[in-house]
Amino acid sequence: ILNVEQSPQSLHVQEGDSTNFTCSFPSSNFYALHWYRWETAKSPEALFVMTLNGDEKKKGRISATLNTKEGYSYLYIKGSQPEDSATYLCASRMDSSYKLIFGSGTRLLVRP
Amino acid sequence: DVKVTQSSRYLVKRTGEKVFLECVQDMDHENMFWYRQDPGLGLRLIYFSYDVKMKEKGDIPEGYSVSREKKERFSLILESASTNQTSMYLCASTPFYGGSSSGNTIYFGEGSWLTVV
Repeated sequence: ILNVEQSPQSLHVQEGDSTNFTCSFPSSNFYALHWYRWETAKSPEALFVMTLNGDEKKKGRISATLNTKEGYSYLYIKGSQPEDSATYLCASRMDSSYKLIFGSGTRLLVRP
Repeated sequence: DVKVTQSSRYLVKRTGEKVFLECVQDMDHENMFWYRQDPGLGLRLIYFSYDVKMKEKGDIPEGYSVSREKKERFSLILESASTNQTSMYLCASTPFYGGSSSGNTIYFGEGSWLTVV
């Protein structure tokens, strides 16, 4: 099993702080990189699906970048709000199968 | 909006019981998945199905089986539940993956928390 690593494991920030997390994945046979936001007691919600090296995607205050050559993706949150508190998961699709390999997530807590 | 529904949110079962976890999706997706989530580990794939009556083992299929008799429904079966199967189980679905750069989103249910005592 190929590993997808996320760091940090958890993060506590103050409301208004900007923050970022890292997702590292094997760069060989790369197909796609997914980011999900998972609030407690809810379904994981898709944020971004990224496929091309150099991709940058944005959704409101959240953005992500992708480097497939070196095997990493960054997720940025600008001006964190308490409602951003959640676990952020990344997952890599490494071949033509339907399987995603998930990281263990970064748990973000934003204090008011 | 895509809806993936897991009918049982919280279950407590005894060791050795047969357990069924049901999942239904309403968007005519070809692919359906069962994952389990344990503390400190990423979501791990148990089984997936890419069509009715078709299934493939994921990374941790031992102790589980699945059934897909209708396109919208994918059931996870624990033939004889054990305490190490206490976990949170997530069902997911996605339309057909096409092409080498396909970016299809996976849609998840809200999870089923299973405790085996």
